[in-house]
Amino acid sequence: AQSVTQLGSHVSVSEGALVLLRCNYSSSVPPYLFWYVQYPNQGLQLLLKYTSAATLVKGINGFEAEFEKSETSFHLTKPSAHMSDAAEYFCAVSVPGNQFYFGTGTSLTVIP
Amino acid sequence: DAGVIQSPRHEVTEMGQEVTLRCKPISGHNSLFWYRQTMMRGLELLIYFNNNVPIDDSGMPEDRFSAKMPNASFSTLKIQPSEPRDSAVYFCASSAETVRNTEAFFGQGTRLTVV
Repeated sequence: AQSVTQLGSHVSVSEGALVLLRCNYSSSVPPYLFWYVQYPNQGLQLLLKYTSAATLVKGINGFEAEFEKSETSFHLTKPSAHMSDAAEYFCAVSVPGNQFYFGTGTSLTVIP
Repeated sequence: DAGVIQSPRHEVTEMGQEVTLRCKPISGHNSLFWYRQTMMRGLELLIYFNNNVPIDDSGMPEDRFSAKMPNASFSTLKIQPSEPRDSAVYFCASSAETVRNTEAFFGQGTRLTVV
């Protein structure tokens, strides 16, 4: 079975501070992993995805995530938060057969 | 490509009425997903189609909900009769299963309010 756990439903950081959003996955087969962002009143947009080519994945808007197989983690980071990063972030796992499993989301607040 | 297109963007209806939500997936995508998003439950997968065939409908809340995909370019989600607890944002997403490690592409959603 596949599942995703996002630790912390709400995260607050100061503008310019490091952003760290945590995601742990469970999968019985090698997973495909994704981070999505959702701005208010919009759909989910892809931030980045793990392709198995490299464990450190770079995405849009300065975000990156590192696949840690031993820890079954895929945490999302950004060195310096901007006000525009305030949004809901979702981690997701998919497996062959193309079913997607989403975490419960983490709401990021950026404090000026 | 215009992306996944959902209609309407907003729907307000009275309890007991039938509601139909529509989705046009990205051309060439053979997987289609319907999700519901609420504050209480987050993002829930309702049903998943592959090549127009429903593969997993275990997330459909009850018999009042039904989904169809008559062809590769169109899907509907119907609620009959609607209830206030169905109020939520409903998202449609599509992906290309034949493309390894592809992501799901989401529409802008339909915000449903049942009064």
